[in-house]
Amino acid sequence: KNEVEQSPQNLTAQEGEFITINCSYSVGISALHWLQQHPGGGIVSLFMLSSGKKKHGRLIATINIQEKHSSLHITASHPRDSAVYICAVASGSARQLTFGSGTQLTVLP
Amino acid sequence: KAGVTQTPRYLIKTRGQQVTLSCSPISGHRSVSWYQQTPGQGLQFLFEYFSETQRNKGNFPGRFSGRQFSNSRSEMNVSTLELGDSALYLCASSGPGSGDYGYTFGSGTRLTVV
Repeated sequence: KNEVEQSPQNLTAQEGEFITINCSYSVGISALHWLQQHPGGGIVSLFMLSSGKKKHGRLIATINIQEKHSSLHITASHPRDSAVYICAVASGSARQLTFGSGTQLTVLP
Repeated sequence: KAGVTQTPRYLIKTRGQQVTLSCSPISGHRSVSWYQQTPGQGLQFLFEYFSETQRNKGNFPGRFSGRQFSNSRSEMNVSTLELGDSALYLCASSGPGSGDYGYTFGSGTRLTVV
């Protein structure tokens, strides 16, 4: 069993829809990261969180430490949100990330 | 503020050769970490350097090595290249100003081994 599981693997939405991507992990963590990767490979860090909820613009990330679960929400989705979204966890004092397999999001106009 | 710079962007090498990739972190960042991304294995951690010292290493063979210089620039080296080393290699830096994001990633070096 992978340490970090993401769902769904693929997601197609219409512009304007509310989107949720889920991440479950099986180890104790010090932080959880949400990353965005566009075609061509560049990765952008969206959030780093260890508890509660964070919001940047139309993006919201939540984490439930007891349930070992995090969600990434996109409100009012737009075609430019189309990308691969990756969840990654850092355990203990180790500054190495373990990655989920990613969610391919396609937002249609 | 300049981002994380990786050079070269693309590289084609022959099996058995060695390759060196470079990563210049954001000014003031002392931590640089390296990752390999392949279609089969996804993203995997290679190693992390802080102030010229390797702090963590992932589960990769000894052919993969790295170093960090006093100006925080980092290089990774892969010796005796294998076809399976074809991948996107990403580096990321972190330090003061990383704030809510944790890491800033470079655009990557796409290595093809033929």
